[in-house]
Amino acid sequence: AQSVTQLGSHVSVSEGALVLLRCNYSSSVPPYLFWYVQYPNQGLQLLLKYTTGATLVKGINGFEAEFKKSETSFHLTKPSAHMSDAAEYFCAVTKNTGFQKLVFGTGTRLLVSP
Amino acid sequence: ETGVTQSPTHLIKTRGQQVTLRCSSQSGHNTVSWYQQALGQGPQFIFQYYREEENGRGNFPPRFSGLQFPNYSSELNVNALELDDSALYLCASSFPPGQNTGELFFGEGSRLTVL
Repeated sequence: AQSVTQLGSHVSVSEGALVLLRCNYSSSVPPYLFWYVQYPNQGLQLLLKYTTGATLVKGINGFEAEFKKSETSFHLTKPSAHMSDAAEYFCAVTKNTGFQKLVFGTGTRLLVSP
Repeated sequence: ETGVTQSPTHLIKTRGQQVTLRCSSQSGHNTVSWYQQALGQGPQFIFQYYREEENGRGNFPPRFSGLQFPNYSSELNVNALELDDSALYLCASSFPPGQNTGELFFGEGSRLTVL
Protein backbone atom coordinates (compact mmCIF):
# COMPACT_ATOMS: atom_id res chain seq x y z
CA ALA A 1 0.00 0.00 0.00
CA GLN A 2 1.09 3.55 -0.63
CA SER A 3 0.38 6.75 1.25
CA VAL A 4 1.42 10.38 1.37
CA THR A 5 1.65 12.74 4.32
CA GLN A 6 1.78 16.48 3.78
CA LEU A 7 2.87 18.35 6.88
CA GLY A 8 0.99 21.60 7.35
CA SER A 9 -2.43 22.22 5.89
CA HIS A 10 -1.53 25.89 5.48
CA VAL A 11 1.81 27.58 4.82
CA SER A 12 2.16 31.36 4.78
CA VAL A 13 5.10 33.20 3.23
CA SER A 14 5.87 36.73 2.17
CA GLU A 15 6.39 37.58 -1.46
CA GLY A 16 10.04 36.93 -2.31
CA ALA A 17 10.55 34.44 0.52
CA LEU A 18 11.53 30.79 0.22
CA VAL A 19 8.68 28.33 -0.28
CA LEU A 20 9.00 24.90 1.35
CA LEU A 21 6.12 22.42 1.22
CA ARG A 22 6.74 19.08 2.89
CA CYS A 23 5.79 15.66 1.63
CA ASN A 24 6.65 12.25 3.04
CA TYR A 25 5.58 9.05 1.36
CA SER A 26 5.23 5.40 2.17
CA SER A 27 5.61 2.79 -0.52
CA SER A 28 6.48 -0.92 -0.52
CA VAL A 29 7.85 -0.64 -4.06
CA PRO A 30 9.91 2.03 -5.82
CA PRO A 31 7.65 5.03 -6.20
CA TYR A 32 6.88 7.61 -8.80
CA LEU A 33 6.24 10.94 -7.08
CA PHE A 34 4.35 14.01 -8.21
CA TRP A 35 3.43 17.51 -7.16
CA TYR A 36 0.23 18.99 -8.53
CA VAL A 37 -1.14 22.52 -8.07
CA GLN A 38 -4.82 23.44 -7.91
CA TYR A 39 -6.03 27.00 -8.32
CA PRO A 40 -9.51 27.93 -7.04
CA ASN A 41 -12.34 26.26 -8.91
CA GLN A 42 -9.95 24.49 -11.26
CA GLY A 43 -8.58 21.01 -11.84
CA LEU A 44 -5.07 19.84 -11.02
CA GLN A 45 -2.01 20.85 -12.99
CA LEU A 46 1.25 18.91 -12.86
CA LEU A 47 4.15 20.90 -11.41
CA LEU A 48 6.82 18.23 -11.56
CA LYS A 49 7.45 14.50 -11.25
CA TYR A 50 10.12 12.05 -10.19
CA THR A 51 10.29 8.70 -11.94
CA THR A 52 13.89 7.55 -12.23
CA GLY A 53 17.32 9.11 -12.60
CA ALA A 54 18.23 12.48 -11.17
CA THR A 55 16.77 12.95 -7.71
CA LEU A 56 16.49 16.73 -8.02
CA VAL A 57 13.70 17.51 -10.44
CA LYS A 58 12.73 20.89 -11.80
CA GLY A 59 9.22 21.82 -12.74
CA ILE A 60 7.19 24.70 -14.02
CA ASN A 61 7.03 28.17 -12.48
CA GLY A 62 10.45 27.84 -10.81
CA PHE A 63 9.51 24.96 -8.50
CA GLU A 64 11.77 22.02 -7.78
CA ALA A 65 11.73 18.95 -5.54
CA GLU A 66 14.28 16.46 -4.33
CA PHE A 67 13.62 12.75 -3.92
CA LYS A 68 15.34 11.49 -0.78
CA LYS A 69 14.87 7.76 -0.45
CA SER A 70 16.57 7.54 2.95
CA GLU A 71 14.13 10.09 4.35
CA THR A 72 11.14 8.95 2.24
CA SER A 73 10.62 12.59 1.37
CA PHE A 74 9.82 14.65 -1.70
CA HIS A 75 9.66 18.25 -0.49
CA LEU A 76 8.71 21.05 -2.88
CA THR A 77 10.69 24.30 -2.91
CA LYS A 78 10.84 27.61 -4.71
CA PRO A 79 13.52 30.19 -3.93
CA SER A 80 11.29 33.24 -4.19
CA ALA A 81 7.52 33.24 -3.79
CA HIS A 82 5.27 35.22 -6.09
CA MET A 83 1.70 36.29 -5.41
CA SER A 84 0.55 34.06 -8.25
CA ASP A 85 1.87 30.98 -6.39
CA ALA A 86 -1.02 31.16 -3.93
CA ALA A 87 -2.90 27.89 -4.47
CA GLU A 88 -3.43 24.38 -3.08
CA TYR A 89 -0.56 21.97 -3.59
CA PHE A 90 -0.90 18.19 -3.60
CA CYS A 91 1.81 15.58 -3.35
CA ALA A 92 0.99 12.20 -4.88
CA VAL A 93 2.59 8.78 -5.21
CA THR A 94 2.13 5.78 -7.44
CA LYS A 95 4.13 2.63 -7.99
CA ASN A 96 6.45 2.16 -10.91
CA THR A 97 5.05 -1.12 -12.20
CA GLY A 98 1.72 -2.70 -12.93
CA PHE A 99 -1.56 -0.95 -12.33
CA GLN A 100 -1.04 2.67 -11.40
CA LYS A 101 -3.34 4.96 -9.48
CA LEU A 102 -2.30 8.20 -7.85
CA VAL A 103 -2.58 8.37 -4.08
CA PHE A 104 -2.80 11.99 -2.99
CA GLY A 105 -2.00 13.76 0.22
CA THR A 106 -4.53 16.05 1.86
CA GLY A 107 -2.96 19.13 0.36
CA THR A 108 -1.20 22.27 1.58
CA ARG A 109 -2.65 25.70 0.95
CA LEU A 110 0.07 28.24 0.19
CA LEU A 111 -0.73 31.80 1.17
CA VAL A 112 1.52 34.59 -0.15
CA SER A 113 1.39 38.02 1.41
CA PRO A 114 2.76 41.21 -0.14
CA GLU B 1 -3.90 19.37 -28.75
CA THR B 2 -7.23 19.18 -26.95
CA GLY B 3 -7.17 18.85 -23.18
CA VAL B 4 -9.50 16.95 -20.89
CA THR B 5 -13.00 18.39 -20.87
CA GLN B 6 -15.77 17.65 -18.38
CA SER B 7 -19.47 18.41 -18.25
CA PRO B 8 -21.45 19.73 -16.56
CA THR B 9 -19.25 22.08 -14.54
CA HIS B 10 -21.77 22.46 -11.74
CA LEU B 11 -24.97 20.65 -10.81
CA ILE B 12 -27.33 20.31 -7.89
CA LYS B 13 -29.24 17.12 -7.07
CA THR B 14 -31.33 15.87 -4.19
CA ARG B 15 -30.81 12.76 -2.11
CA GLY B 16 -31.83 9.57 -3.86
CA GLN B 17 -31.45 10.96 -7.36
CA GLN B 18 -29.04 9.72 -9.99
CA VAL B 19 -26.34 11.71 -11.80
CA THR B 20 -24.20 11.23 -14.91
CA LEU B 21 -20.96 13.12 -15.40
CA ARG B 22 -19.11 13.17 -18.71
CA CYS B 23 -15.49 13.40 -19.72
CA SER B 24 -13.58 13.65 -22.99
CA SER B 25 -9.98 12.53 -22.76
CA GLN B 26 -6.97 14.41 -24.05
CA SER B 27 -5.97 13.69 -27.61
CA GLY B 28 -3.75 10.60 -27.79
CA HIS B 29 -4.85 9.21 -24.41
CA ASN B 30 -6.94 6.05 -24.15
CA THR B 31 -7.09 5.60 -20.38
CA VAL B 32 -9.48 7.54 -18.16
CA SER B 33 -9.53 7.74 -14.37
CA TRP B 34 -12.09 9.33 -12.09
CA TYR B 35 -11.37 10.93 -8.72
CA GLN B 36 -13.61 12.36 -6.01
CA GLN B 37 -12.36 15.43 -4.16
CA ALA B 38 -14.37 16.33 -1.09
CA LEU B 39 -14.06 19.84 0.30
CA GLY B 40 -10.68 20.34 1.94
CA GLN B 41 -9.40 16.90 0.95
CA GLY B 42 -7.12 15.42 -1.65
CA PRO B 43 -8.57 13.56 -4.62
CA GLN B 44 -9.61 9.95 -3.96
CA PHE B 45 -9.40 7.33 -6.72
CA ILE B 46 -12.78 5.97 -7.83
CA PHE B 47 -11.90 3.82 -10.85
CA GLN B 48 -9.99 3.66 -14.11
CA TYR B 49 -11.13 2.62 -17.58
CA TYR B 50 -8.96 1.19 -20.32
CA ARG B 51 -10.18 -0.45 -23.53
CA GLU B 52 -13.76 0.18 -22.42
CA GLU B 53 -13.37 -1.94 -19.29
CA GLU B 54 -12.86 -1.10 -15.65
CA ASN B 55 -9.16 -1.52 -14.96
CA GLY B 56 -9.04 -0.88 -11.24
CA ARG B 57 -11.33 0.45 -8.54
CA GLY B 58 -10.94 2.33 -5.30
CA ASN B 59 -12.95 1.99 -2.13
CA PHE B 60 -16.28 3.18 -3.52
CA PRO B 61 -19.62 1.33 -3.40
CA PRO B 62 -21.22 -0.25 -6.48
CA ARG B 63 -23.63 2.66 -6.89
CA PHE B 64 -20.62 4.42 -8.43
CA SER B 65 -20.29 3.03 -11.94
CA GLY B 66 -18.73 4.07 -15.20
CA LEU B 67 -18.45 3.58 -18.89
CA GLN B 68 -15.82 4.17 -21.52
CA PHE B 69 -16.73 4.58 -25.16
CA PRO B 70 -14.80 3.64 -28.33
CA ASN B 71 -13.64 7.25 -28.71
CA TYR B 72 -12.13 6.96 -25.17
CA SER B 73 -14.61 9.39 -23.62
CA SER B 74 -16.11 8.29 -20.33
CA GLU B 75 -19.08 8.66 -18.00
CA LEU B 76 -19.35 8.43 -14.25
CA ASN B 77 -22.76 7.45 -12.91
CA VAL B 78 -23.79 7.70 -9.30
CA ASN B 79 -27.09 6.21 -8.16
CA ALA B 80 -29.04 6.83 -4.96
CA LEU B 81 -27.18 10.02 -4.19
CA GLU B 82 -26.22 10.72 -0.59
CA LEU B 83 -25.28 14.02 1.03
CA ASP B 84 -21.66 12.84 1.35
CA ASP B 85 -21.45 12.50 -2.42
CA SER B 86 -21.21 16.28 -2.63
CA ALA B 87 -17.73 16.87 -4.06
CA LEU B 88 -15.66 17.89 -7.04
CA TYR B 89 -15.43 14.99 -9.46
CA LEU B 90 -12.26 15.01 -11.49
CA CYS B 91 -11.61 13.13 -14.68
CA ALA B 92 -8.04 12.46 -15.77
CA SER B 93 -6.66 10.88 -18.91
CA SER B 94 -3.34 9.21 -19.52
CA PHE B 95 -1.41 6.95 -21.83
CA PRO B 96 -2.22 3.25 -21.49
CA PRO B 97 -0.95 1.13 -18.59
CA GLY B 98 2.65 0.15 -19.15
CA GLN B 99 3.27 3.09 -21.44
CA ASN B 100 3.06 5.91 -18.95
CA THR B 101 4.86 6.98 -15.81
CA GLY B 102 1.70 7.50 -13.80
CA GLU B 103 1.23 11.10 -14.90
CA LEU B 104 -2.40 12.15 -15.17
CA PHE B 105 -3.87 15.05 -17.09
CA PHE B 106 -6.89 16.46 -15.29
CA GLY B 107 -10.00 18.26 -16.40
CA GLU B 108 -11.43 21.15 -14.41
CA GLY B 109 -13.98 18.94 -12.71
CA SER B 110 -17.71 18.71 -12.16
CA ARG B 111 -18.90 20.13 -8.85
CA LEU B 112 -21.82 18.13 -7.50
CA THR B 113 -23.96 19.39 -4.66
CA VAL B 114 -26.46 16.99 -3.09
CA LEU B 115 -29.23 18.55 -1.02
